[in-house]
Amino acid sequence: NAGVMQNPRHLVRRRGQEARLRCSPMKGHSHVYWYRQLPEEGLKFMVYLQKENIIDESGMPKERFSAEFPKEGPSILRIQQVVRGDSAAYFCASSAYDGQPQHFGDGTRLSIL
Amino acid sequence: AQTVTQSQPEMSVQEAETVTLSCTYDTSESDYYLFWYKQPPSRQMILVIRQEAYKQQNATENRFSVNFQKAAKSFSLKISDSQLGDAAMYFCAYSTGSGGGADGLTFGKGTHLIIQP
Repeated sequence: NAGVMQNPRHLVRRRGQEARLRCSPMKGHSHVYWYRQLPEEGLKFMVYLQKENIIDESGMPKERFSAEFPKEGPSILRIQQVVRGDSAAYFCASSAYDGQPQHFGDGTRLSIL
Repeated sequence: AQTVTQSQPEMSVQEAETVTLSCTYDTSESDYYLFWYKQPPSRQMILVIRQEAYKQQNATENRFSVNFQKAAKSFSLKISDSQLGDAAMYFCAYSTGSGGGADGLTFGKGTHLIIQP
């Protein structure tokens, strides 16, 4: 049973470009969470999604960031017009339902030139 | 808002010895969950142990155990018989849901654990 799959593992973008990060949850999991980890910091919650619904986006920056989890396909975290401060590791986690712990992917390290 | 505090940026222990990592949290909820995650240099986030706040018994997973003091809002992790593979960043985390809930996990800043051979 494959775990949470994130791609790409590393993503390099220039300032002003768009970054798209993908997350395929574990089989049977319908809850997806995105977190951001700045250097020397713990993970910070960004958004919680279920299929076709954003449940909680209280941790998402108000501008340039968006997330979706369509009926078919992976969850996408999209960052428009990236800036140097967006450089971080972005982790996705999934769970089967609220009664289960979250399982994490290996993360995407985003570097902004 | 809930907060999680790990006051030890770094801890060092001799191989085969026991080490305790501390964590305190702040919440007004009565029902919640606490976790310890391990992040080795590979950057994976690995769940080490989970504690439900309504359970008085401390959780145990092999060499890992917790000391959960609900009144003091303290949740320390004890690692017995430390092994070289235990070297990692350890993050304490909180949630109101069983695995994340509507507000996701709130993490502390982490403790870097060094194992000396």
